[in-house]
Amino acid sequence: EVQLLESGGGLVQPGGSLRLSCATSGFTFNNYGMTWVRQAPGKGLEWVSTISDSGGSTHLADSVKGRFTISRDNSKNTLFLQMNSLRADDTAVYYCAKGFRGTSFVDSWGQGTLVTVSS
Amino acid sequence: EIVLTQSPATLSLSPGERATLSCRASQSVSIYLAWYQQKSGQAPRLLMYDASNRATGIPARFSGSGSETDFTLTISSLEPEDFAVYYCQQRSNWPLTFGGGTKVEIK
Repeated sequence: EVQLLESGGGLVQPGGSLRLSCATSGFTFNNYGMTWVRQAPGKGLEWVSTISDSGGSTHLADSVKGRFTISRDNSKNTLFLQMNSLRADDTAVYYCAKGFRGTSFVDSWGQGTLVTVSS
Repeated sequence: EIVLTQSPATLSLSPGERATLSCRASQSVSIYLAWYQQKSGQAPRLLMYDASNRATGIPARFSGSGSETDFTLTISSLEPEDFAVYYCQQRSNWPLTFGGGTKVEIK
């Protein structure tokens, strides 16, 4: 069974940093691209970032470019999102998600971790 | 950036009725469109990929159609567990984008 478990969320002041982790199991991690998607309270889904299976290719939404970095440790089956210069509009539940059949659709999601940016 | 516009924003229907949800893209995405279902308090679930293919375990009452810029998700006969929010997503171009969602609520 595929399992994705996010951690690292919490309350942070504007301008601060957080590092989200997503521990995975139940599939061959280094065979799949991985994605972060966020959802602000009461709002829709917003794609944040995707990384290829090897980690050699990454994509970021314009809204987080220059502030967020996606990475992965294939030896530990773990996905990361380093978030710097956080703003109030980064407040959201952050989901990690597993790529689907080599595409940038996703077919398994974690339960999410809440990031709140507030003073 | 490809903008996906979903309509209607809310669909009020009764169990057993047919639901028709629309997703329109600002430019062609070929067939590279997926649909997700999100129930309250839960993570989304992949329903359809590449416009018309059901994901594993998705019941046959769900079907998808369309190409280029116009797509439809149809639920042939609503079950109580189908009342949820539905999102479309394109993978044709970076950045990936989601539609704003359609809420299917009980009438």
